[in-house]
Amino acid sequence: EVQLVESGGGLVQPGRSLRLSCTGSGFTFGDYAMSWVRQAPGKGLEWVGFIRSNSYGGTTESAASVKDRFSISRDDSKSIAYLLMNSLKTEDTAVYYCARRTVADYWGQGTLVTVSS
Amino acid sequence: EIVLTQSPGTLSLSPGERATLSCRASQSVSSTYLAWHQQKPGQAPRLLIYGASSRATGIPDRFSGSGSGTDFTLTISRLEPEDFTVYYCQHYGSSPFTFGGGTKVEIK
Repeated sequence: EVQLVESGGGLVQPGRSLRLSCTGSGFTFGDYAMSWVRQAPGKGLEWVGFIRSNSYGGTTESAASVKDRFSISRDDSKSIAYLLMNSLKTEDTAVYYCARRTVADYWGQGTLVTVSS
Repeated sequence: EIVLTQSPGTLSLSPGERATLSCRASQSVSSTYLAWHQQKPGQAPRLLIYGASSRATGIPDRFSGSGSGTDFTLTISRLEPEDFTVYYCQHYGSSPFTFGGGTKVEIK
């Protein structure tokens, strides 16, 4: 069974950094691109970015709204994808989901990030 | 960036009725890369349809997708009580990927 579990969310002050993790199981993690999607309270889904599998160079793409502040990486030996968020703003407050592939065929349960002083 | 506009924002129907949800793109989208997701309150989204018309694993056949170019449709042939929730379209062909704003299907 494919499972994705996010962790690392919490309360953080504006301007600080936070790293989220997404641990996959039930599939060969290294064979798949991994995506990040967020959802602000009461709002719709917003694509954050994704990282290709190492077979496709392990390169990343990100939304313009986070491109200069967020970065995505992966450690296939641990089946983990990371979302490093720098210079956090109050508008980054959201539930952050990881998903398998760019089509998001499987989703994690999400982790809440609250940016507030 | 491709903007996806979903309509209507809210659809009020009764169980057993047919639901037709629209997703319009600001520029042509390859059918290969158009998906629909369902999200119930307090839960993560779930993939329903990929490639515009292919059902994801375990999705009932009352859900169907169609369309091409800039106009795509999700149809629920006979609404079940568990289908009253929010639906999002997504394009994933070329970065940046985007989601539509969502359509809420509510009980009339």
